[in-house]
Amino acid sequence: QQPVQSPQAVILREGEDAVINCSSSKALYSVHWYRQKHGEAPVFLMILLKGGEQKGHDKISASFNEKKQQSSLYLTASQLSYSGTYFCGTATGANNLFFGTGTRLTVIP
Amino acid sequence: DGGITQSPKYLFRKEGQNVTLSCEQNLNHDAMYWYRQDPGQGLRLIYYSQIVNDFQKGDIAEGYSVSREKKESFPLTVTSAQKNPTAFYLCASKPSTSTDTQYFGPGTRLTVL
Repeated sequence: QQPVQSPQAVILREGEDAVINCSSSKALYSVHWYRQKHGEAPVFLMILLKGGEQKGHDKISASFNEKKQQSSLYLTASQLSYSGTYFCGTATGANNLFFGTGTRLTVIP
Repeated sequence: DGGITQSPKYLFRKEGQNVTLSCEQNLNHDAMYWYRQDPGQGLRLIYYSQIVNDFQKGDIAEGYSVSREKKESFPLTVTSAQKNPTAFYLCASKPSTSTDTQYFGPGTRLTVL
């Protein structure tokens, strides 16, 4: 039930945009996005519930396509602080999260 | 100050020794989780507990044991039966409602020499 994330890694210059995708073979109830800095705990970014909603704060937003069982995380006008590994966690109901293997994002000056 | 604490941050043990990793939360969350993370890998679920005195195996429970005697505490023991215990261990918790997300502790990096 592990979701598949793409790309595995991406390098951006400050100010550029990026999209990280997360797809599942199972019908999803929710998608949770986290960012993890090296050696630290994952930090919660946002949760999307089935219904195809889009959420966001600041320059980071996400969408959830219920029909395709896919979620995308959008990072616009990237900043150095956006560097880290982004994980999606998927849930098929009121149960556990299954995490993807992560997307390593590096923002360079 | 509410949150999840894990101790110690770094732990070294000799091969063949059991070791217990601490996880405490004062968020009044019902569910607690233990994950293992290896370099370049995602998070793999070891054990989880939805309520006190009850816990379930995750995907990679072999060589690990847990207890949940108190709501706020969920210690993980890495036994000598775990073949490759060196990893970063993360504890998480969440409220009981299904739409809530999990919140992670700072992690413990275990190195077995």
